[in-house]
Amino acid sequence: QSALTQPASVSGSPGQSITISCTGTSSDVGAYDYVSWYQHHPGKAPKIIIYDVTQRPSGVSDRFSASKSDNRASLTISGLQAEDEADYYCCSYVRGVTWVFGGGTKVTVL
Amino acid sequence: EVQLVQSGAQVKKTGESLRISCKGSGYNFTNFLISWVRQMPGKGLEWMGRIDPSDSFTRYRTSSQGHVTISVDKSATTAYLVWNSLKDSDNGIYYCARHRDGIRFDPWGQGTLVIV
Repeated sequence: QSALTQPASVSGSPGQSITISCTGTSSDVGAYDYVSWYQHHPGKAPKIIIYDVTQRPSGVSDRFSASKSDNRASLTISGLQAEDEADYYCCSYVRGVTWVFGGGTKVTVL
Repeated sequence: EVQLVQSGAQVKKTGESLRISCKGSGYNFTNFLISWVRQMPGKGLEWMGRIDPSDSFTRYRTSSQGHVTISVDKSATTAYLVWNSLKDSDNGIYYCARHRDGIRFDPWGQGTLVIV
């Protein structure tokens, strides 16, 4: 159960768009359409922002979008805002009702 | 409102036992899986294991198997993460999370800091 691979950090200026990648294998990301993304402000509970690869929960800004191709998933944040500065984690369902997270990406708003 | 409320921070010594809790409210507790996720200092999130509150069936990450135990008390709508013998490497923040549709983690508890 190796962690999914994410870049350690991504930065952008307010208003810009950034994309975070999440690379797994044919046993996790590539096997199921059950990739989710979580926003985590340190000291707070993580918050789901994307589920089932592309779905946004009610109340989550439409500035967040996501996709998947083969073993790689991506999260895009459009119109970057100061409040988007946080850690972001991808997560994939794995066979046997288990899960694996990515290593996390720190997003910095310049 | 669906909520998971976790027990408070703990400071323990190596070799001691510990049980932390996660109380669910606002939903039918036995209808949704609960997972425990840890964050070691300066590191990312790591799934540890999950339990089905309806039958207490558990699955663990390989590295967690045998070191921690996940259990539930249905009458108290509470899930537990239990250590029989803490190690230095158990330092971290532990989150519980409900699996809203059996898959996604939503919502999460506020986290429990464990210092060994």
